[in-house]
Amino acid sequence: EPEVTQTPSHQVTQMGQEVILRCVPISNHLYFYWYRQILGQKVEFLVSFYNNEISEKSEIFDDQFSVERPDGSNFTLKIRSTKLEDSAMYFCASRSGTGVTPLHFGNGTRLTVT
Amino acid sequence: TQLLEQSPQFLSIQEGENLTVYCNSSSVFSSLQWYRQEPGEGPVLLVTVVTGGEVKKLKRLTFQFGDARKDSSLHITAAQPGDTGLYLCAGAGNQFYFGTGTSLTVIP
Repeated sequence: EPEVTQTPSHQVTQMGQEVILRCVPISNHLYFYWYRQILGQKVEFLVSFYNNEISEKSEIFDDQFSVERPDGSNFTLKIRSTKLEDSAMYFCASRSGTGVTPLHFGNGTRLTVT
Repeated sequence: TQLLEQSPQFLSIQEGENLTVYCNSSSVFSSLQWYRQEPGEGPVLLVTVVTGGEVKKLKRLTFQFGDARKDSSLHITAAQPGDTGLYLCAGAGNQFYFGTGTSLTVIP
């Protein structure tokens, strides 16, 4: 069964550094998402992306964050200047349509900012 | 932001017991999904409920969508250790709004 893949599985970075989290969504999916989950807390929406542009973003997704689909397969999340509070699991998800169409999640990237 | 509250937040039970997890919101959703997440992995879809009052069964799991499509419940019969995990409800709007999560531990 096709799956969403994320790399790396764990990223450690120093405060103030830039990080890029990478995702390969399922190939025929059209809608892409980034969520994050701080340890022990809820899954929080960051951003949705469709037709090569952001369709919705949360208040968490400030100017430090950006997303890109540089080619036909990758979907990236960039954090320009990481803060300690950015430490979390970051999940990429994709789906083929809207409405009741389910999200398919990757296994996440654990970002640790020191 | 549409808030979904889940209860209980933590649940630890013996193998063979029954349990119910609740997902409540003041918002109406076009559909609601339940996911299960294991440590180190992403959430995996269990079920989607669409119609108010709908009941869906998945082996020992029974899901119900409230008549007003604002709340949902998940009932597990005869829980097994393999049911251990984080259960998340998610309401569909422009994107998915996740609940606060219920961490279930089933003790053998």
